[in-house]
Amino acid sequence: EPEVTQTPSHQVTQMGQEVILRCVPISNHLYFYWYRQILGQKVEFLVSFYNNEISEKSEIFDDQFSVERPDGSNFTLKIRSTKLEDSAMYFCASSEPRLSGADTQYFGPGTRLTVL
Amino acid sequence: QKEVEQNSGPLSVPEGAIASLNCTYSDRGSQSFFWYRQYSGKSPELIMFIYSNGDKEDGRFTAQLNKASQYVSLLIRDSQPSDSATYLCAVLYNQGGKLIFGQGTELSVKP
Repeated sequence: EPEVTQTPSHQVTQMGQEVILRCVPISNHLYFYWYRQILGQKVEFLVSFYNNEISEKSEIFDDQFSVERPDGSNFTLKIRSTKLEDSAMYFCASSEPRLSGADTQYFGPGTRLTVL
Repeated sequence: QKEVEQNSGPLSVPEGAIASLNCTYSDRGSQSFFWYRQYSGKSPELIMFIYSNGDKEDGRFTAQLNKASQYVSLLIRDSQPSDSATYLCAVLYNQGGKLIFGQGTELSVKP
């Protein structure tokens, strides 16, 4: 069964460093998403991406964040200058939209980001 | 502020019983609703979705939607210890695909 994959599973970085989290969405999906979950808290939407551009972003997704689909398979989230509060689990998701719009989202296993 | 509310639990049921999980949402215009299961330290795993008022059954799971009351529920019949997890209710708020999650209900099924 097709699944979303993410690398690395765990990333440790120093505050102020840049990190890139990588995702390979399900191959025939067209919508891509990033969510994060701080330990013990809700899953929070960060950004959605379709047709090589951002569809929607949350207020969390400030200028320190960017997303890119560098080729036909990868989808990346870059954090330019990490802060302690960026420590969280980051989930990539993808969906194959129905005719009426975005549909069921399938999540990858996540990348645990620890900022020291 | 669009919100999704769930009782955080823990909800404890004996093995074989029916577990009932509830969720309310604030945006009356919402059309699509999802239940995910999340084991500790893992990612959300889709259980089922529901778009229309009424019940939708899939194996031991039944989702119920009442748009007038802005209420979604998930029933798990014949609960098993392996069902012990946190259950996340999620609401799709627009065509851009933004899912808003509740805080999750922790379910514990006792053997």
